[in-house]
Order: sequence, then structure tokens, then C-alpha cells
Amino acid sequence: EAGVTQFPSHSVIEKGQTVTLRCDPISGHDNLYWYRRVMGKEIKFLLHFVKESKQDESGMPNNRFLAERTGGTYSTLKVQPAELEDSGVYFCASSQATGAAKAFFGQGTRLTVV
Amino acid sequence: AQSVTQLDSQVPVFEEAPVELRCNYSSSVSVYLFWYVQYPNQGLQLLLKYLSGSTLVKGINGFEAEFNKSQTSFHLRKPSVHISDTAEYFCAVSQPTSGTYKYIFGTGTRLKVLA
Repeated sequence: EAGVTQFPSHSVIEKGQTVTLRCDPISGHDNLYWYRRVMGKEIKFLLHFVKESKQDESGMPNNRFLAERTGGTYSTLKVQPAELEDSGVYFCASSQATGAAKAFFGQGTRLTVV
Repeated sequence: AQSVTQLDSQVPVFEEAPVELRCNYSSSVSVYLFWYVQYPNQGLQLLLKYLSGSTLVKGINGFEAEFNKSQTSFHLRKPSVHISDTAEYFCAVSQPTSGTYKYIFGTGTRLKVLA
């Protein structure tokens, strides 16, 4: 079974530029989550999709961040324009809709804004 | 509001020695508890989870954790570590609402196993 896949694994961009991160969840997983870890801090929840709908976006830092999940399959997280404090590792996770299912995490995208 | 505290940011330990990684949480409601591990250049992998039932939970790679409700703790233990256990370990909680697993993570503990 393929796991959660994230692209790219690393991205270095200049302040003010735009970056788009992609997450391919495990096939059949309706729930998709984005998390972020800023250097040395805890991993923080950003938002949660159920299929293509945003269930909870309470963790999104500001309106420079836009997440989409068209068709309920893969998801993208766009940062526009990027700021220095956006640097960190962005994790995506997916889980099945019901039951005591665990969340499966991707390897993360390390974003560095210079 | 829920929170998770991992007081030890780094734990060095010699190979074959026992280790305990501490995790305390605060919550006004019942929670699910998890330990995840991140090996270098890899994603987060579930080690073990406590949902209900027996307070002693066994996970993969010889790890176990004990849920202590009175002390609001969920410490991770292994009786004998290997070099390959060198990784970062994250404790997390979630609220058992149906079908969603919005985690609150601790800041992580880097376990360094020394030869």
C-alpha cells in the first residue's frame, strides 16, 4: 500500500515568492490534514479536509496560506507571498473516515524562506 | 484547551540501556494518546496509541507506554535501546470525536543512542 506522499521534499524560496506544496494521501482516505513544525517547536495543526470540504481550518496562520483539495484526492497548500517566519517542515497526514483509525503521515516538505 | 509537554528536548543514552521519554498532557475532557517517531529523513510513524482499556500499551520496536490518568502522563519506555532507535519522538493527544484525529503535539524529544 502506498503511503502519504509529499512534494517537494525540500524547497528554498525568497521572501515574497509563491510556493505550492502538494500532498497525495493514501487512496480511499477521506480525511486529510496539514501540520507545520517551525524549527524547534511543536508540530501544529493547520487544517483538516473531509473529502474536498474544509472541516476545520482554525490553525491556518493567515490569509497568505491557501489550501485546496479539488475532487477530494490530492491537496495543495499555497503560500503567497512567503515570509521568513513561514520556514519550517510541513507535514500532511491522512486517515480513514470512521473508526479508531490512525493517521498516516508523509515525510514532510522542508520549506526555507530566505 | 489541551496541551502536551515533553520536558526533555534531548535524551542521550548508551546502547542496551533502558530509556524513558516523558510526556504529560492537560485536558478537561478524555483524550486519545499517541507516540510518534521520526527517523532521520523520514515521516512520522506511529509507535503506539492509547484509546481505552489497559493502561499499559505495547507498540512496535519493543516500546511501551503507560497511561496514568491521575498524573496525566503517558511516558514512553524501552528496556534496552539500540543504535537504530536514534530518532525524534513526539507525544500527541487528540479528542475522540468521531472520525477525526486533530492532534496536539508536544515539542519532541531527540533520543540519541550512544555506542
